[in-house]
Amino acid sequence: QQPVQSPQAVILREGEDAVINCSSSKALYSVHWYRQKHGEAPVFLMILLKGGEQKGHEKISASFNEKKQQSSLYLTASQLSYSGTYFCGTEDSGGYQKVTFGIGTKLQVIP
Amino acid sequence: NAGVTQTPKFQVLKTGQSMTLQCAQDMNHNSMYWYRQDPGMGLRLIYYSASEGTTDKGEVPNGYNVSRLNKREFSLRLESAAPSQTSVYFCASSEVRTGGDTQYFGPGTRLTVL
Repeated sequence: QQPVQSPQAVILREGEDAVINCSSSKALYSVHWYRQKHGEAPVFLMILLKGGEQKGHEKISASFNEKKQQSSLYLTASQLSYSGTYFCGTEDSGGYQKVTFGIGTKLQVIP
Repeated sequence: NAGVTQTPKFQVLKTGQSMTLQCAQDMNHNSMYWYRQDPGMGLRLIYYSASEGTTDKGEVPNGYNVSRLNKREFSLRLESAAPSQTSVYFCASSEVRTGGDTQYFGPGTRLTVL
């Protein structure tokens, strides 16, 4: 079942922060986050596993609330390079990496 | 390393024509995937192959067939193309390991069916 992402779109000015949410109606094993720039392939950002810690690198981090089957992606002090569509993908059992992706959140950072 | 490569990059077909999309990876990954991406729909899994010699249906398999030729290559075939199959097709690969995994995507094939 496809996870639900919110918001569907957001416009930020450089330096502003944003949060993108991802929720599922099923118990989750992992949540994956990818970013896709226009006309390009999706690129991996991070994976959060059930029982794992909040992850992050640079100014992008994410959390995973297993009880609520939700994950949030935090972008702080946004840069122009953060523009793109962010997808969360959920996996409801370990193994094959059969990931179901949400429809994406389009993020635009303007000067 | 080239990563995941796909051919062709662009293709235009007429309704009823057939074609095969090719995908290869040089990362020695066991698992490979085919997705289609349509506006407003996100990425939807067509077929996947957990390991060489195995394939399984994903969310939207109708109208497609796949072949896992060897560990490196995973092809997607449209036997009789339909306009509803106009989409961008991505191949991906991954290696399942403890602590989570990453899917690496190819550059995509943009297919138009007239």
